[in-house]
Amino acid sequence: GEDVEQSLFLSVREGDSSVINCTYTDSSSTYLYWYKQEPGAGLQLLTYIFSNMDMKQDQRLTVLLNKKDKHLSLRIADTQTGDSAIYFCAGDLGGGGNKLTFGTGTQLKVEL
Amino acid sequence: NAGVTQTPKFRILKIGQSMTLQCAQDMNHNYMYWYRQDPGMGLKLIYYSVGAGITDKGEVPNGYNVSRSTTEDFPLRLELAAPSQTSVYFCASSSGQGRPNYGYTFGSGTRLTVV
Repeated sequence: GEDVEQSLFLSVREGDSSVINCTYTDSSSTYLYWYKQEPGAGLQLLTYIFSNMDMKQDQRLTVLLNKKDKHLSLRIADTQTGDSAIYFCAGDLGGGGNKLTFGTGTQLKVEL
Repeated sequence: NAGVTQTPKFRILKIGQSMTLQCAQDMNHNYMYWYRQDPGMGLKLIYYSVGAGITDKGEVPNGYNVSRSTTEDFPLRLELAAPSQTSVYFCASSSGQGRPNYGYTFGSGTRLTVV
């Protein structure tokens, strides 16, 4: 099965850019996703990238995909205190069931 | 639309007790999932279902059972609770129609403690 790894913590100052990294083992994922989890809540989809793309930009969010190194990153520009949350990357296992494998999650803390 | 509704939000169980975590969705989604979330471990898939009457094991199914008698409901059963089942449980659903799978909608979770 696929393994998806992330660093556990990231701390940034308000207004700076945040970069959250993710590495994965299975290159057959058709799509890769970023989810956000706020305290006490479920996960919400932030953005996704198709495996044949290198980059996707969506307002303050930029996703970069390096298929050779199996590395995915999420850049948040002009980070705000409301961006403080846990961020999960996830890969589509393919096959039946549309199952996703999630990373360990990165806790982003935004300081004033 | 309520989306995905999970009950209860919190529960404390004694070792050996049983309980059912409820999950209901009102989006007419075919696919439903149960994940557990442990600190620093991400989410692990317990069971999933691609339609009423069809269920399949995920990565960590031991100690759990599921049923899917209707499209809307996907309850998760713990028969003999163990401390290792202390976790936050999330139910999710997906339309399952085509790709990408951005149709994943999560419930707000059930925090279970086994003592």
